[in-house]
Amino acid sequence: GENVEQHPSTLSVQEGDSAVIKCTYSDSASNYFPWYKQELGKRPQLIIDIRSNVGEKKDQRIAVTLNKTAKHFSLHITETQPEDSAVYFCAASRGGSYIPTFGRGTSLIVHP
Amino acid sequence: NAGVTQTPKFQVLKTGQSMTLQCAQDMNHNSMYWYRQDPGMGLRLIYYSASEGTTDKGEVPNGYNVSRLNKREFSLRLESAAPSQTSVYFCASSDGTYLSNQPQHFGDGTRLSIL
Repeated sequence: GENVEQHPSTLSVQEGDSAVIKCTYSDSASNYFPWYKQELGKRPQLIIDIRSNVGEKKDQRIAVTLNKTAKHFSLHITETQPEDSAVYFCAASRGGSYIPTFGRGTSLIVHP
Repeated sequence: NAGVTQTPKFQVLKTGQSMTLQCAQDMNHNSMYWYRQDPGMGLRLIYYSASEGTTDKGEVPNGYNVSRLNKREFSLRLESAAPSQTSVYFCASSDGTYLSNQPQHFGDGTRLSIL
């Protein structure tokens, strides 16, 4: 089955810095990679996703890149703000599958 | 537009008791999911319903049952609660398109403690 590893488990940055979270996956057939943000005590929220026919996708200050050859994908947050502080989860799945494999999460702390 | 609504928000049960967690979505989504979230474990899929009238097991289905009552509602039942089922439970939905068979909208969660 699929295995997703997420690093780092904790990331501490100063406001205005960039943050990068990386996930690696094992199943070369995986072709859909969503990212979720979960603030403390709140629900997870889908913030961005990428499909395997795309190498990069941007949405304002966040971007996701995918390297299919190396089987890894990354979340990039630029100009971080305190409200970006949250746990971020990556996931990987095959098209048609309803069962994603989640990473264990990265706790991002943005210091004012 | 409420999105995904879960009830109750909190519940304490004794071992062996039963209860049903309710979930409803108002986005006309085809697919609905039940996840549990434990510290350090991320999100794990319990059951899902790809469309009205169908349900399937996820990664951790033991001890749970589900019912897709109609397109809007998807309930999760614990028949005989065990302390290992203490967790935060999230219901989620998606429009169920081929490459989006993953949760797009989550409810606020149910914090369940079993003594």
